[in-house]
Amino acid sequence: NAGVTQTPKFQVLKTGQSMTLQCAQDMNHEYMSWYRQDPGMGLRLIHYSVGAGITDQGEVPNGYNVSRSTTEDFPLRLLSAAPSQTSVYFCASSLGGNSYNEQFFGPGTRLTVL
Amino acid sequence: AQSVTQLGSHVSVSEGALVLLRCNYSSSVPPYLFWYVQYPNQGLQLLLKYTSAATLVKGINGFEAEFKKSETSFHLTKPSAHMSDAAEYFCAVSDRGSSYKLIFGSGTRPLVRP
Repeated sequence: NAGVTQTPKFQVLKTGQSMTLQCAQDMNHEYMSWYRQDPGMGLRLIHYSVGAGITDQGEVPNGYNVSRSTTEDFPLRLLSAAPSQTSVYFCASSLGGNSYNEQFFGPGTRLTVL
Repeated sequence: AQSVTQLGSHVSVSEGALVLLRCNYSSSVPPYLFWYVQYPNQGLQLLLKYTSAATLVKGINGFEAEFKKSETSFHLTKPSAHMSDAAEYFCAVSDRGSSYKLIFGSGTRPLVRP
């Protein structure tokens, strides 16, 4: 199993450009989440999905869109990039259900918006 | 809303000495609690978790943490620091039944001195 994969690893955008960060998992996990990591602030939840076709907002959703058409994929879209979106983005997945199941994290995408 | 506090972004420790990383949470109902480790330019890896079984939890790499409800704490310890422990450590919480929504502390990095 490849686990959770993210592409690209690095990206530089200009203000106003759009792009999609890709995330895929091959563990048949029901739950998937996107976080951003900023210095001194830990990770903050952007959006999450509890299954194909179901998404919801996390703590910092503004400026980002998501969709989940398949169990495996959970792309994150930046419609009009802003310098405040410069960050490291992590995708995570976990099994569904009521009991706790570990979140597995991808290697991250480092995004710079100029 | 849930919150997690990690006191001190850096902790200085001598090699072979006790490592203590502090974590306090705010919740009236005991949540699930976790410690993650992040090595440079990598994703997050689960060190250990508390999900209401034993209050003293042992994890990987010789780390352990104790859940203290009266103090709303979940401090991470390791009896003997090693140079390889140099990484960033994050405490996180989630509500029961919401494993896709982790709330992270700001992180603590032990500075291991030879």
